[in-house]
Amino acid sequence: QVQLEQSGPEVKKPGASVRIPCKAPGYSLSGSSRHWVRQAPGKGLEWMVNFDPGDGMTVYGQNFDGRVTVNEDTSTDTAYMELHSLTSDDTAVYFCALGGQMDVWGEGTTVIVSP
Amino acid sequence: QTVLTQPPSASGTPGQRVTISCSGSSSIIGGNTVNWYQHLPGAAPKLLIYTNDQRPSGVPARFSGSKSGTSASLAISGLQSEDEATYYCASWADSLSGRWVFGGGTKLTVL
Repeated sequence: QVQLEQSGPEVKKPGASVRIPCKAPGYSLSGSSRHWVRQAPGKGLEWMVNFDPGDGMTVYGQNFDGRVTVNEDTSTDTAYMELHSLTSDDTAVYFCALGGQMDVWGEGTTVIVSP
Repeated sequence: QTVLTQPPSASGTPGQRVTISCSGSSSIIGGNTVNWYQHLPGAAPKLLIYTNDQRPSGVPARFSGSKSGTSASLAISGLQSEDEATYYCASWADSLSGRWVFGGGTKLTVL
């Protein structure tokens, strides 16, 4: 079973950007669809974006078009999601999920946006 | 705005059968398949059911899913204390864009 590794907590100022990695040790991410989902404190899951390497398409959630960048470092087999122009509303746990059905999930990266 | 509607809470006693509903529309759920995810606090969410009624390898058979029209359901039989978690349904927002949406989640309490 593939396991996804995510990084430790991040604290950012409003207006800044945050870049969150997602790695699957011993597994190549390059052929797998990957999603990013977040959960704000006390709220439910919110789907953000999906990149499908099969067709090279990136699909964005309604609230994130223009504010999210997804890419990867093939040399380290790490996928990244970068969220720009942070506000306090972006304080959340950010999950990466692998596979077309969001089959496997990481344990999340906490991002706190505070002045 | 949550376009997939779930009850905020559900409960049951050990051994009972519990169902959790997920209501959508003709464009969401009606024209697409539904997945269900289990999320324990502080843990990675887990895919429980995909394509309406399929269980990934390793998911016990007491978890089952179904879909009818613009609604879907997750059933858990032989309820166990470890099933206490929040359950989310998810589907494509429409059949063309590839966008996904989640339901608001249902917190299941095992009494």
